[in-house]
Amino acid sequence: NAGVTQTPKFQVLKTGQSMTLQCAQDMNHEYMSWYRQDPGMGLRLIHYSVGAGITDQGEVPNGYNVSRSTTEDFPLRLLSAAPSQTSVYFCASSYSFVGGEQFFGPGTRLTVL
Amino acid sequence: QQPVQSPQAVILREGEDAVINCSSSKALYSVHWYRQKHGEAPVFLMILLKGGEQKGHDKISASFNEKKQQSSLYLTASQLSYSGTYFCGTETGTASKLTFGTGTRLQVTL
Repeated sequence: NAGVTQTPKFQVLKTGQSMTLQCAQDMNHEYMSWYRQDPGMGLRLIHYSVGAGITDQGEVPNGYNVSRSTTEDFPLRLLSAAPSQTSVYFCASSYSFVGGEQFFGPGTRLTVL
Repeated sequence: QQPVQSPQAVILREGEDAVINCSSSKALYSVHWYRQKHGEAPVFLMILLKGGEQKGHDKISASFNEKKQQSSLYLTASQLSYSGTYFCGTETGTASKLTFGTGTRLQVTL
């Protein structure tokens, strides 16, 4: 079991560029989510999904899009990168919508110049 | 709304005990605790569910006071490996959202 995998590990973008952060899990978890982590702010929920075809917004969804076409994959798209999106991004999955342990991926460190 | 953690930081000598608190203004269904070491992903410690009992493993345990919407994480006889940032995450049960606190940085020294 690879668990939760994320690619790339590091990325540098210029303002206005777009990119997709990849997330995949092999545990057959229905629930997946994206967080961003900034110094002193903890982990903030961007978007989440309770199953294929179902997504919803978290606390800080602006500037990000998601889709969930399969149980395994949950990519995060930045449509037009801004310096405020410089952060570490974590993807997580869980076997339960509520009350389930979250398994985190290794993270993607994104810098927007 | 983020749960509030206290203290923000604590330094311990090996073998000392620590308590980290997490409080919410909303009625909670569950409280999660995670530990994150520098440059790594958060790692699950335990979940406390509404109506459940206190949990623990090894020298780390936690309690959940539903009436006060508070949880406490207890680290006893701390070890160097306990160093890291501890996050609580709360669920209200009405939505599939886990909201994290801003973290408590714990450093254990010799």
